[in-house]
Amino acid sequence: SSELTQDPDVSVALGQTVRITCQGDGFRNYYGGWFQQKPGQAPLLVFSGRDTRPSGIPDRFSASSSGDTATLTITGAQAEDEAVYFCSSRNTGNHPYVFGRGTKVTVL
Amino acid sequence: DVQLVESGGALVQPGGSLRLSCAASGFDFNTYTLHWVRQVPGKEMEFVSAINSGGTIPYYADSVRGRFTISKDNARHTVVLQMNGLRHEDTGMYYCARSYVVTTAILDYWGRGTQVAVSS
Repeated sequence: SSELTQDPDVSVALGQTVRITCQGDGFRNYYGGWFQQKPGQAPLLVFSGRDTRPSGIPDRFSASSSGDTATLTITGAQAEDEAVYFCSSRNTGNHPYVFGRGTKVTVL
Repeated sequence: DVQLVESGGALVQPGGSLRLSCAASGFDFNTYTLHWVRQVPGKEMEFVSAINSGGTIPYYADSVRGRFTISKDNARHTVVLQMNGLRHEDTGMYYCARSYVVTTAILDYWGRGTQVAVSS
């Protein structure tokens, strides 16, 4: 099965831009998803596909993909953006999809 | 509003059974695929099982096939995961989530999860 690799931790100053990457073979042919997870809360889809931001997600969240790497960008990070962000992609193995382990974003 | 609420998690001994339920509301339940995804702290989310919108085609991870059974009740808007022969490695937070189809990585709504602990 495919694996998705994410950096474990990243920090960003309030109001600055942070980019979170996710590397995996699935992204060569498929746009996946990005999820935000805060302690004790349900995971929240913040971006999907090539250009879909779900209703209610601020437009400071955007995503892109190049080769085997997908990137989630938060432009002008806010305190409420502090969370773990994990990615998903379709899988080439028996399972329909796989997830990254998550990147903890700290807003300073 | 779309809501998915899981229940049924508990502490159980190895070899035991649990029945997880997911109650759905706020959307046309009949047209969505429902999933169970689990997470062990420090590890990535992991596909466990899914069932198509009609409740007729189940999908399972290799690690649970033959032990877990998923079912979908479109009249009651619930999806159930019957877990038998539980193992230590089944321990984790179990989330219910939905998607339009099975063959997608886009699960657009999730529940808060229910905790399963398998220990003697």
